[in-house]
Amino acid sequence: EAGVTQFPSHSVIEKGQTVTLRCDPISGHDNLYWYRRVMGKEIKFLLHFVKESKQDESGMPNNRFLAERTGGTYSTLKVQPAELEDSGVYFCASSHAGSSGYTFGSGTRLTVV
Amino acid sequence: GENVEQHPSTLSVQEGDSAVIKCTYSDSASNYFPWYKQELGKRPQLIIDIRSNVGEKKDQRIAVTLNKTAKHFSLHITETQPEDSAVYFCAASFPDSSYKLIFGSGTRLLVRP
Repeated sequence: EAGVTQFPSHSVIEKGQTVTLRCDPISGHDNLYWYRRVMGKEIKFLLHFVKESKQDESGMPNNRFLAERTGGTYSTLKVQPAELEDSGVYFCASSHAGSSGYTFGSGTRLTVV
Repeated sequence: GENVEQHPSTLSVQEGDSAVIKCTYSDSASNYFPWYKQELGKRPQLIIDIRSNVGEKKDQRIAVTLNKTAKHFSLHITETQPEDSAVYFCAASFPDSSYKLIFGSGTRLLVRP
């Protein structure tokens, strides 16, 4: 079984630019989550998809962040325009419907300079 | 709001000694408590979890204890080995349909050979 795949693994962009992160969950996993770890702090929840629907987006920091999951398969997280405080590691995780057990991806390290 | 506190932030032990990491949570309705291990540059991996109807769970050298009254849960690693060196995160899940995890800030464990 392929794991959760994220790309790019690293991204360095300038303040004001746009970046799009992608997550491919484990096939058949309805739940897809985005989390972020900033500056060695806790891993913070951003949002949760069930299939293509946003179940909970209470953790999204502001309207510069846009997440989509077209067709209920892969998901993208776009940051536009990026700010310095957006730097961090963005993790995606997936799980089966009704399951609390996540599988995390390896993350995308975003650096905004 | 929902909060998980984790201590210590760093822990250095001699190989063969035990390591204990402690977490407290704010919402008494929390019912699922996983622990994740993240090695440098790798994905967080679930190492053990416990549900609120159980007080203790053990898996070889790793054990987790839960005190619902005090809203505490702890990770215990016995006979530590250098490969146990990593960042450990506790988390709590709240009883809604999203299985959103609230993470602690992480403990960097160093096992000295």
